[in-house]
Amino acid sequence: GDSVTQMEGPVTLSEEACLTINCTYTATGYPSLFWYVQYPGEGLQLLLKATKADDKGSNKGFEATYRKETTSFHLEKGSVQVSDSAVYFCALSDNSGANSKLTFGKGITLSVRP
Amino acid sequence: GAVVSQHPSWVICKSGTSVKIECRSLDFQATTMFWYRQFPKQSLMLMATSNEGSKATYEQGVEKDKFLINHASLTLSTLTVTSAHPEDSSFYICSADGTEAFFGQGTRLTVV
Repeated sequence: GDSVTQMEGPVTLSEEACLTINCTYTATGYPSLFWYVQYPGEGLQLLLKATKADDKGSNKGFEATYRKETTSFHLEKGSVQVSDSAVYFCALSDNSGANSKLTFGKGITLSVRP
Repeated sequence: GAVVSQHPSWVICKSGTSVKIECRSLDFQATTMFWYRQFPKQSLMLMATSNEGSKATYEQGVEKDKFLINHASLTLSTLTVTSAHPEDSSFYICSADGTEAFFGQGTRLTVV
């Protein structure tokens, strides 16, 4: 079956540091890939997505590129802020029709200190 | 963006009792909602697909008689954990299917 593997956490960075969170996937067919973010006390929110190979999703300074050859969708940001502290989930959808039927990675907690 | 409200955000109950969790789409209609469960340091695992007006579809290994799902309207799905036991303690989260997946805030269930 489909699966998503995220790097182990937690991650603690200083403000303005560079961020990379690794995500790799296993899927049959051509999945869509997502990054979700969960801020303290809130629900998951879509951060960015990519629906086909070589697509780059971007939002709020974060980027991730759909790499079919390495089955990866790593999340990057050049300069993190304290407000980026949250839990980040990588996920995929098998494009069976429903947007919400997702396979998630374990999530990784990011803490950014001033 | 669209809002999905999940209630309660946390609940503590005694073993053997039942607990109902509500998931509401506040500003859109959702014919399909999903229920996930997350154990500490684990992924969110899909439990079931809730379809308005019809029976829920459960993932393999999920007991349908223990986790009752009702999707009686286009804006409300409920998950009832029946005869709860400590091993049911977990974080439950719903999502509603719209232009994208919209998630509730989650419910922390503790069974004592």
